[in-house]
Amino acid sequence: AQTVTQSQPEMSVQEAETVTLSCTYDTSESDYYLFWYKQPPSRQMILVIRQEAYKQQNATENRFSVNFQKAAKSFSLKISDSQLGDAAMYFCASMNRDDKIIFGKGTRLHILP
Amino acid sequence: DTAVSQTPKYLVTQMGNDKSIKCEQNLGHDTMYWYKQDSKKFLKIMFSYNNKELIINETVPNRFSPKSPDKAHLNLHINSLELGDSAVYFCASSQEGGQGQRQPQHFGDGTRLSIL
Repeated sequence: AQTVTQSQPEMSVQEAETVTLSCTYDTSESDYYLFWYKQPPSRQMILVIRQEAYKQQNATENRFSVNFQKAAKSFSLKISDSQLGDAAMYFCASMNRDDKIIFGKGTRLHILP
Repeated sequence: DTAVSQTPKYLVTQMGNDKSIKCEQNLGHDTMYWYKQDSKKFLKIMFSYNNKELIINETVPNRFSPKSPDKAHLNLHINSLELGDSAVYFCASSQEGGQGQRQPQHFGDGTRLSIL
């Protein structure tokens, strides 16, 4: 069975600092995708970053980067230079080739001014 | 300009009623999905349709019936609404990329359903 675990229900970080959100997953597939989605209070689901399992290089999108450890089935999200607008729920998700996205329970990120 | 749009954004109704939530995407995607987000923010897939054909059907009560009149629309009809149906329902869409790869899912803004 496909599972995604986010062990940190809430985290806080000082503005301009760096924070890392943890995610571990389990899948029996060899070909899958991993995502981080952001859900601000406005409730939208916004794709932050995406990683294909076959790619060894960690994905990066501006201030957002991942540490993808395939053997350990770990997919953490690093946010550098945190900004007030980064405050949101962050969901880690995995998707096998069957198209079904499985989400973690989310981590609520607070940005402290 | 909206990529995936859901209507209504808010829906408040009495227990036992029948209601529908509409979803439309203008991205030309071939697959659409419905997710339910419960009060603890847990997101779970309910259905997905690929080119009007049902491909994912999770364990969801029969009271929930998706309807896809064309590949740009996937509506969710719910019969005999119950208190436990209160949640935020998200529609999403995606497209198969090259070499069988699937592109990320784009989500609508959600519909908050409240059952009185």
